[in-house]
Amino acid sequence: RKEVEQDPGPFNVPEGATVAFNCTYSNSASQSFFWYRQDCRKEPKLLMSVYSSGNEDGRFTAQLNRASQYISLLIRDSKLSDSATYLCANSGYALNFGKGTSLLVTP
Amino acid sequence: DVKVTQSSRYLVKRTGEKVFLECVQDMDHENMFWYRQDPGLGLRLIYFSYDVKMKEKGDIPEGYSVSREKKERFSLILESASTNQTSMYLCASRMTGEGVFETQYFGPGTRLLVL
Repeated sequence: RKEVEQDPGPFNVPEGATVAFNCTYSNSASQSFFWYRQDCRKEPKLLMSVYSSGNEDGRFTAQLNRASQYISLLIRDSKLSDSATYLCANSGYALNFGKGTSLLVTP
Repeated sequence: DVKVTQSSRYLVKRTGEKVFLECVQDMDHENMFWYRQDPGLGLRLIYFSYDVKMKEKGDIPEGYSVSREKKERFSLILESASTNQTSMYLCASRMTGEGVFETQYFGPGTRLLVL
């Protein structure tokens, strides 16, 4: 079983919608979690990090649920430019990445 | 700003050739990583290094080797390239520590095609 699992999507949402992704992890000892954004044919770039219960940055909110071993990413007021693949990761000797969730925001 | 650079954005090689992929970071990070990324398989760790001349196997080291002679530089070597090594190769680096120090910064990637 892969250590970090995500629904691959795609999630197709209209502009202005709110969308949420979940990511489950198997290592209960993980302390740090990350959401990366990856545009087509580009490298992953850090979007948010989560060390306690959650983190918020503008339209983006990440939440950590240790009891159920998942992290979520909420995007409010979706923009066309939010279209990308979102990767979650947890800490280890290297970050363990999920396969990513694809988001397409449509006009 | 952390900067991680990779020697080539695109590379075309023939089966059996020896291939060198270079990665350089300018933030004095102790830890460096090589991943490959394939559709449907996500990012898979090939090798990592936590110090000069130190290396550790990741999840898929077969067919690859690495070299870290200087702190800022981490090279991935395909001793004899095969078509199943056609992929996007991503280098990353990070500091040593927990929490925020575990953030990994990626290079722009090298798209390798082995014919």
